[in-house]
Amino acid sequence: GESVGLHLPTLSVQEGDNSIINCAYSNSASDYFIWYKQESGKGPQFIIDIRSNMDKRQGQRVTVLLNKTVKHLSLQIAATQPGDSAVYFCAENTDSSYKLIFGSGTRLLVRP
Amino acid sequence: GAGVSQSPSNKVTEKGKDVELRCDPISGHTALYWYRQSLGQGLEFLIYFQGNSAPDKSGLPSDRFSAERTGGSVSTLTIQRTQQEDSAVYLCASSLSGGNGNTIYFGEGSWLTVV
Repeated sequence: GESVGLHLPTLSVQEGDNSIINCAYSNSASDYFIWYKQESGKGPQFIIDIRSNMDKRQGQRVTVLLNKTVKHLSLQIAATQPGDSAVYFCAENTDSSYKLIFGSGTRLLVRP
Repeated sequence: GAGVSQSPSNKVTEKGKDVELRCDPISGHTALYWYRQSLGQGLEFLIYFQGNSAPDKSGLPSDRFSAERTGGSVSTLTIQRTQQEDSAVYLCASSLSGGNGNTIYFGEGSWLTVV
């Protein structure tokens, strides 16, 4: 069935370094992708999204890259800070759907 | 309000009791969603509302689960005869409309523990 998965369940990075969180998706019909950040005890917080007609989108300290050929999505966080420590989820949906399909999440740990 | 508001934030209930979880979406958002998140897991879709109608209830795990939405705003998720496997965080979200590409904003969740 449709699924969104993550390669690395836990990522540990040094404060100040750049982080890259990866996500694979299996539904080639998916055309909208979102990254959410979830801190402990809180709900998912929208970070950035991208449509399938783009391959890169930048926000504040974050960049999302989309490679439709290999059905791969990544989130890059520049100059990672302790406040970036959280679980990151990618999610997808298709043009005909309102339903987001979430991956299982990657935990980002930032070492001081 | 400024964001999606959920209540209660925490609920401990005895097995077999009924619980009601409430969601106030962002003002003006016509689409409302309920998701469930078990400990350490991703988010599982439960139900979607467009206005007061629920065109997709496919994610509700059993007939013990039901949801309604009134006035195109507040929604209530009801779990009857709770079981221990119902323990999870129940997340409500809303978006301006239900179409693809509308940013979906989540509340802080209602943490349900069934003992």
